[in-house]
Amino acid sequence: AQSVTQLDSHVSVSEGTPVLLRCNYSSSYSPSLFWYVQHPNKGLQLLLKYTSAATLVKGINGFEAEFKKSETSFHLTKPSAHMSDAAEYFCVVSGDHDYKLSFGAGTTVTVRA
Amino acid sequence: DARVTQTPRDKVTEMGQEVTMRCQPILGHNTVFWYRQTMMQGLELLAYFRNRAPLDDSGMPKDRFSAEMPDATLATLKIQPSEPRDSAVYFCASGTADTQYFGPGTRLTVL
Repeated sequence: AQSVTQLDSHVSVSEGTPVLLRCNYSSSYSPSLFWYVQHPNKGLQLLLKYTSAATLVKGINGFEAEFKKSETSFHLTKPSAHMSDAAEYFCVVSGDHDYKLSFGAGTTVTVRA
Repeated sequence: DARVTQTPRDKVTEMGQEVTMRCQPILGHNTVFWYRQTMMQGLELLAYFRNRAPLDDSGMPKDRFSAEMPDATLATLKIQPSEPRDSAVYFCASGTADTQYFGPGTRLTVL
């Protein structure tokens, strides 16, 4: 069965500095991987997805993620954090045949002025 | 800009009452998922449908929860009777293939 592990439960950065959210995955096949963001009292919004086309995936709001099979990682980065990036971020892997999603525990991002 | 819609957005009810949550998936999407989110358990998959047929509802408490898709534009999640431990945010998501798009959620409080 597939799973993801988000290595940090909370990340705090200063506005304008880089953001790194770490995610490792476990899968017996070539997975589809996603990052979702959830702002307070909102639904989950798709940031980006990896589906084996390119290892570096660009998403919305300046985020990107790199798929590294050798490290079974799918880390999310942004060069310069904005106050509006304060939210919860979920790394997600899709099931092989049934499209069921397995969610990481989430990383809460705080952005300091 | 197509979106998943959910109603109601907030629901406060008393223990023992029936609760029905509704979801309108994005037109053309053939999969619909119901999730529950709590602080303690995070996001849990309750049920999902493909082409309106229920494929998996193993995440739902069978005795009180039921999920249906009476037509392609409506999915429902019903709790009868409701209990305080059902208090959570319930999300609907729709998609095609492996990508899911989430609705804004229904915040349920059972007193």
